Amino acid sequence: EVQVVESGGGLAQRGGSLRLSCTASGFTFSNYAMSWVRLAPGKGLEWVSTITNSGGSTYYTDSVKGRFTISRDNSKNTLYLQVTTLRPEDTAIYYCAKVPAPYCGDDCYLGHWGQGALVTVSS
Amino acid sequence: AVRMTQSPSSLSASTGDRVTITCRASQSISSYLAWYQQKPGKAPKLLIHAASTLQSGVPSRFSGSGSGTDFTLTISCLQSEDFATYYCQQYQSYPLTFGGGTKVEI
Repeated sequence: EVQVVESGGGLAQRGGSLRLSCTASGFTFSNYAMSWVRLAPGKGLEWVSTITNSGGSTYYTDSVKGRFTISRDNSKNTLYLQVTTLRPEDTAIYYCAKVPAPYCGDDCYLGHWGQGALVTVSS
Repeated sequence: AVRMTQSPSSLSASTGDRVTITCRASQSISSYLAWYQQKPGKAPKLLIHAASTLQSGVPSRFSGSGSGTDFTLTISCLQSEDFATYYCQQYQSYPLTFGGGTKVEI
């Protein structure tokens, strides 16, 4: 069974940092791209970032470029999101999701999602 | 960026109703469209990809149609477990973008 489990959320101050982790099981992690998506209070889903299966290419939404870094360790079946220079508007549940392909070509939808990690940024 | 506009933003319905949700893209996305269901406190769940391909395990009362800029999600006979928020997402190009969501409530 495909499973992805996020961890590392918590409370941070404006300008602070956190590292989110996503541990995967039930599939060959190194064969698939992975993404982060967030859900802010009272808002809709927002795509944050995607990384190809090898980690060779990364993509970000404009509002997090230069502040967030996506990475992966295929030997540990783990995806990361380093979030820095946090703003109150980054407060959200952050979901890790599996892309059903090694990179975003014709199949960049999100087939399996974790339960999310809550990040709260105080001002 | 491709902007995705969903309508309505919310709707009231009853068990057994036929429900249709619309998603419009600001430019052509071919059939690179997915639909998700999210219940409060739960992870989103993939329902449909490639505009009309039902994800394995999703009940057949869900269906999707459309291509280019106009898409619809239809629930043919609403069940109690279908009360949730539904999102469309385009994956034709980066940045990946979602519609604003449609809350289906009683």
